[in-house]
Amino acid sequence: LAKTTQPISMDSYEGQEVNITCSHNNIATNDYITWYQQFPSQGPRFIIQGYKTKVTNEVASLFIPADRKSSTLSLPRVSLSDTAVYYCLVGDMGNYGGSQGNLIFGKGTKLSVKP
Amino acid sequence: EAGVAQSPRYKIIEKRQSVAFWCNPISGHATLYWYQQILGQGPKLLIQFQNNGVVDDSQLPKDRFSAERLKGVDSTLKIQPAKLEDSAVYLCASSLVGQGKGYGYTFGSGTRLTVV
Repeated sequence: LAKTTQPISMDSYEGQEVNITCSHNNIATNDYITWYQQFPSQGPRFIIQGYKTKVTNEVASLFIPADRKSSTLSLPRVSLSDTAVYYCLVGDMGNYGGSQGNLIFGKGTKLSVKP
Repeated sequence: EAGVAQSPRYKIIEKRQSVAFWCNPISGHATLYWYQQILGQGPKLLIQFQNNGVVDDSQLPKDRFSAERLKGVDSTLKIQPAKLEDSAVYLCASSLVGQGKGYGYTFGSGTRLTVV
């Protein structure tokens, strides 16, 4: 499974757009990029997943360049409630539940949103 | 849809005692995971089940940790005997097999274990 590198922490203010970049230089052809969000005292929560180009849902956007060696999670107009740890994970999600479908978490990026 | 249920929510035990955690995954989710999350770190996979079979337990400290999922539904993780370094949050997650891309794992809220 590809190793990921992301900033340890980021600060932002309410209403700003936040972009968290993750590097995954050794990403494999079958690997997908998945982002999770974790609030204190809760389990991680799935935010978004993508393979290439751009994916958007009601919560965030995920930008993946053509070489797929990095990805950027974009959170539009953050609020105080977006303060959390954000994890970037890379793995083969093509076969959910198979041995290659494990999620390996790094330390994540601690996002602090200030008023 | 009900989420992943875990109990107890908190547990405090003395070292060398035993403890068990319970997890009930989302109905229909064949794959179940147990993760250990030490304060300040990301979750670390302990064991993965598919139905009632173990897929990956390479990071489970088998001298003290055990887990089972006898009927392929709920699961129990046990620690015996506990050590101080086992203090952590134990997270259970589940997922569908063969689910279309775009869906991740669903985690429970975890059990916070404190070993004193």
